[in-house]
Amino acid sequence: EIVLTQSPATLSVSPGERATLSCRASESLSASLAWYQQKPGQAPRLLIYAVSTRATGIPARFSGSGSGTEFTLTISSLQSEDFAVYYCQHFRTFGQGTKLEI
Amino acid sequence: EVQLVETGGGLIQPGGSLRLSCVASGLTVSNNYISWVRQAPGKGLEWVSVIYSGGRTYYADAVKGRFTISRDNSKDTVYLQMSNLKMDDTAVYYCARDVAEAGTGNWFDPWGQGTLVTVSS
Repeated sequence: EIVLTQSPATLSVSPGERATLSCRASESLSASLAWYQQKPGQAPRLLIYAVSTRATGIPARFSGSGSGTEFTLTISSLQSEDFAVYYCQHFRTFGQGTKLEI
Repeated sequence: EVQLVETGGGLIQPGGSLRLSCVASGLTVSNNYISWVRQAPGKGLEWVSVIYSGGRTYYADAVKGRFTISRDNSKDTVYLQMSNLKMDDTAVYYCARDVAEAGTGNWFDPWGQGTLVTVSS
């Protein structure tokens, strides 16, 4: 079973800065990785699928990249509403999450 | 607009049973894969079960033999029957459309708002 390891567990950044979140897989993946954003008390929301395709309505400041076992979610110029927990997902496995905080 | 709404959560004693419902609007459950994903308090996301459009079902090892996923096509509703509940099953349970495309894997979109199941004596 594939294991997804996200790093860092917590990332402290300031509004307007760039955030880079990492997701490492225990074995090579195909073009099959998604990213979700979850705010307190809310359901997860799909941000990115198929490694780099933004979901409908997702702002262009969110971008996904990577291949093999290393994947990245980049948020350029952080907005206040971006502070949340982010999860990566492959098939039926989720990473443990990265909390993005001010 | 595609929307999923879960109901049926509550407080239940260990060993008890509960049935969750996921009502879909804007999509036909019989034409889609629908998954249940749970989140224990303060923890991450854990996939629980899926029902495919063709009717096949799959379960996480943690719930196999205790949980049963099913659907009623006439009501566009997917169910999760949970039995022999354990304290470790305490979580918010979400249903989500499980979108799968050849060559690009799968993703979950949209998600319902979730329903809380608390297993406690």
